[in-house]
Amino acid sequence: GAGVSQTPSNKVTEKGKYVELRCDPISGHTALYWYRQSLGQGPEFLIYFQGTGAADDSGLPNDRFFAVRPEGSVSTLKIQRTERGDSAVYLCASSLASGSTGEQFFGPGTRLTVL
Amino acid sequence: DAKTTQPPSMDCAEGRAANLPCNHSTISGNEYVYWYRQIHSQGPQYIIHGLKNNETNEMASLIITEDRKSSTLILPHATLRDTAVYYCIAFNAGNNRKLIWGLGTSLAVNP
Repeated sequence: GAGVSQTPSNKVTEKGKYVELRCDPISGHTALYWYRQSLGQGPEFLIYFQGTGAADDSGLPNDRFFAVRPEGSVSTLKIQRTERGDSAVYLCASSLASGSTGEQFFGPGTRLTVL
Repeated sequence: DAKTTQPPSMDCAEGRAANLPCNHSTISGNEYVYWYRQIHSQGPQYIIHGLKNNETNEMASLIITEDRKSSTLILPHATLRDTAVYYCIAFNAGNNRKLIWGLGTSLAVNP
């Protein structure tokens, strides 16, 4: 079946611009996660959705970052006034909510480059 | 911060077993040990997990020491396609199920 998809695969923007990154989770997965990964580092947690609500947004670095999931499926990560330090690969993952499983299914990521 | 430590890199000959160690001496009793891997330019992929007992699936085996302070991921017959960064993660389901990642081990499988 279809896995997690993310669009665009690459995004180049200029400092100060606004960007939106989209994630389509696996159908039926109610849990959705955003991570970001800098070169040579492991992924860093940003935010976790359970259904439509953000259950944990403690990883968002500042108020320029915001994410929504209005219908409990597709999610959009929004970054305002981008900075060069925002350059990274943004990963989305989804999982079944039931049970205590830590098995998450990841998309290929969106590589964001801020010039 | 990640509760696990792993060697930064390892090499393995194709066809041989790859044994990847992980230290998690501060792991809590209710935390599972999860392993993921990330092939270059791809998203991470789940491999296996365990709590106390050793586990095996079609991809790998996981050996957890009796005191749960360390574990070893075993790829029984490594292939070139197993070249990747392998992450060991102490997972707490009560922590909103977020994964806390370290730096992982970069495994190079050589022909």
